[in-house]
Amino acid sequence: GQSLEQPSEVTAVEGAIVQINCTYQTSGFYGLSWYQQHDGGAPTFLSYNALDGLEETGRFSSFLSRSDSYGYLLLQELQMKDSASYFCAVSPDYKLSFGAGTTVTVRA
Amino acid sequence: DAGVIQSPRHEVTEMGQEVTLRCKPISGHDYLFWYRQTMMRGLELLIYFNNNVPIDDSGMPEDRFSAKMPNASFSTLKIQPSEPRDSAVYFCASSKGQVYGYTFGSGTRLTVV
Repeated sequence: GQSLEQPSEVTAVEGAIVQINCTYQTSGFYGLSWYQQHDGGAPTFLSYNALDGLEETGRFSSFLSRSDSYGYLLLQELQMKDSASYFCAVSPDYKLSFGAGTTVTVRA
Repeated sequence: DAGVIQSPRHEVTEMGQEVTLRCKPISGHDYLFWYRQTMMRGLELLIYFNNNVPIDDSGMPEDRFSAKMPNASFSTLKIQPSEPRDSAVYFCASSKGQVYGYTFGSGTRLTVV
């Protein structure tokens, strides 16, 4: 099976940088994904790491270390609209398994 | 593209009634997934299809739940009979042969009273 751990809540001010860590245990591994979900909305795909290293997509970056079974999502230049839940997810195959989610609250 | 389309958006039903949730995946996507989200259990995969064929239904909670995909553009998730513990948001998602970048529908919020 799969298990993922990520912090439950993070609060930061506008313009700040937030890092959301994710550690995982899985019987098989294709890659680590990150999804964003605004309250009452659908999860939306943010990024995917199959190999070690950093992937940058605008203000968001994602990192993976396969040897440490660890990854993080970095949110830079935080904006109010970034207030949402962020989920890491592992893909042992097509059965994408999600962590419990981190609620990010951005304060003015 | 209109994205993944789910209906209804909200459903309130009485315990014991049959509930049918519907999903239209993105055209050309060959994988379809049904997820359930609750505060207690988070996002759980219930079942997924590849080319209309059910591949893994190990997440389906019990025999009261069933899912079908009669063609590439339509899938249903049925609960019969429904129980209050089935109250949740049910998401459908689709993917084009990749293990990432799933596109989720807006979900169906089911309340069983």
